[in-house]
Amino acid sequence: KAGVTQTPRYLIKTRGQQVTLSCSPISGHRSVSWYQQTPGQGLQFLFEYFSETQRNKGNFPGRFSGRQFSNSRSEMNVSTLELGDSALYLCASSLSGTVNEQFFGPGTRLTVL
Amino acid sequence: GQQLNQSPQSMFIQEGEDVSMNCTSSSIFNTWLWYKQEPGEGPVLLIALYKAGELTSNGRLTAQFGITRKDSFLNISASIPSDVGIYFCAGLRNDYKLSFGAGTTVTVRA
Repeated sequence: KAGVTQTPRYLIKTRGQQVTLSCSPISGHRSVSWYQQTPGQGLQFLFEYFSETQRNKGNFPGRFSGRQFSNSRSEMNVSTLELGDSALYLCASSLSGTVNEQFFGPGTRLTVL
Repeated sequence: GQQLNQSPQSMFIQEGEDVSMNCTSSSIFNTWLWYKQEPGEGPVLLIALYKAGELTSNGRLTAQFGITRKDSFLNISASIPSDVGIYFCAGLRNDYKLSFGAGTTVTVRA
């Protein structure tokens, strides 16, 4: 069974631009969560989608948004990029959203110049 | 923001040594999770703890859920080179928000 896949794996953008990251969950998984990982802050929860609905949200500004499609694939978008948005963005999928049943993807490394 | 204090931040250990790391918080958690992350990969769940005082093992790994529900520790016994990586703790609160520690980077000297 294929694992969680994220595209692209690496991305370089400049300040002010916007970016869209994609996550394909494990087949059959309906919950997708997104996390931002930085060296100083560790992993921070962005949001969780289940059956195309945002179910939980972390403490990030409105520039960070996401959506989930009917096939459970999810995208997250960051608008008006700032230097501090440089991070590894991880998505995790699970059948129902139970955190101890999450499987993480390899992440998308975003660098904002 | 971060609510879990994980220590140590990094450690260099000799192969065969035992390793301990811990996470503390001012908040109470219902579940403690320990993950390992290797370069270029996402975190992989090692151990999950659900009850205060619970002690759980997974091979050479042992983790405990603190009695106060505000801390947890992870022990790796007889370390080997493939133990290299970053270990994260995570705590789940009543409101289902998951908080992570900043990680402990483990480097093993052969």
